[in-house]
Order: sequence, then C-alpha cells, then structure tokens
Amino acid sequence: ETGVTQTPRHLVMGMTNKKSLKCEQHLGHNAMYWYKQSAKKPLELMFVYNFKEQTENNSVPSRFSPECPNSSHLFLHLHTLQPEDSALYLCASKGRDSSQETQYFGPGTRLLVL
Amino acid sequence: ILNVEQSPQSLHVQEGDSTNFTCSFPSSNFYALHWYRWETAKSPEALFVMTLNGDEKKKGRISATLNTKEGYSYLYIKGSQPEDSATYLCASGTYKYIFGTGTRLKVLA
Repeated sequence: ETGVTQTPRHLVMGMTNKKSLKCEQHLGHNAMYWYKQSAKKPLELMFVYNFKEQTENNSVPSRFSPECPNSSHLFLHLHTLQPEDSALYLCASKGRDSSQETQYFGPGTRLLVL
Repeated sequence: ILNVEQSPQSLHVQEGDSTNFTCSFPSSNFYALHWYRWETAKSPEALFVMTLNGDEKKKGRISATLNTKEGYSYLYIKGSQPEDSATYLCASGTYKYIFGTGTRLKVLA
C-alpha cells in the first residue's frame, strides 16, 4: 500500500448527475494532485494543491471542481460530465518540494459517464 | 525532445530473460526522473528517483541508469519473473511531472 486511498474505485454516472471522488493520504504530505488517464494517453495533470491552496489548474473544464479542506483530503466534484470524461482518475501526494522526493499514488477511480 | 517518451510500448519476454526499456526526456531544465511500476487495478509504485547524471540505482533485480546530458534513462530487469508483469512509467520533473505513456511488460512463464 502506498498510503494514499481513493473512493470509490469505480463509478458510473449519467451526464446530469453530480458525484464526488475522494482521496485521502496518511503520509503527512503537503501537496496533493489530481491526474486523469485516458486510454493510450500519458497521465495528465489536472490540479495541484499545496498546503490546501490550489497552485495549478491545467486548463481543466469547470465541470470538474476540486476541493482540499485540509492537507490530508482532496475531493474532485463532478457535474454535467460528458462521455469523453470517462477515464481513470488518480490522486497523488508528495512531501517536501525536493527533487529527492517522489509522488505517491492512490489506486484510482475508474469513471464511466453514460 | 519536448515530451517524455518511452519505448517500446509493450513487450513480451520469457521467464528468466533479462530486458530493458528506455525513457527519453527533455534534457534542458532537468530536475529529476522518476520510475514507477504499475500493476493493473493497483496504485503506481515508486521504484526510483534519479537526479544526478551518471547515476545508477538498484532494487533487487531492477536497476536504472540516468544520462541527463542526452536526456535518457534505461530500466533493466534481470531474470524476469511473471510477477514483474506490469506497466513501467517514467516521469520527469520535481513539483509537476510530465509522464510517458509507459512500457507494458508481460513475462511469460
């Protein structure tokens, strides 16, 4: 186990639904990340939070809304998604901003939008 | 090179064979190179963080080398076992990572 958990592991939702993905890290890290992986594509950075403050929004559509209430929890709120948003959503966390540190990943949420 | 590229995309090897694959990354403004091992339905597992040109790291039968001047890293697996079957990802960066698409390895018993 990496110390990063994600729920749910699988999610099927309609385009008019509202759902949330949850990520929790037990590593005492200060930075948390959301990534998207679509088929045949590299992991794509969506958002970065550092000490609960959003420091990166990689031109993500507003139908994805992140929330970081504290350094241990990260949410991704989903509303009016499109079928092309179906993908694996991964959360990661990282400790000190040092080149010797690496990101630790959760197992992901497999999302299917119908 | 502007992106992180990995080759081959996939390969099959027989149990006991040794294998290697490549990660190419932008050599300018280099900070760190990360290797991950990712089994299906599990979390990507960190293998190595490499920062120094010429660095070589080892973890059991897996080792990696780094050339920051020419922008590549090799991952070697000695005596492949079926449990080594996974996707091996590399990423460049320190705060924000740029990932390759991975090399999918299948070790046949």
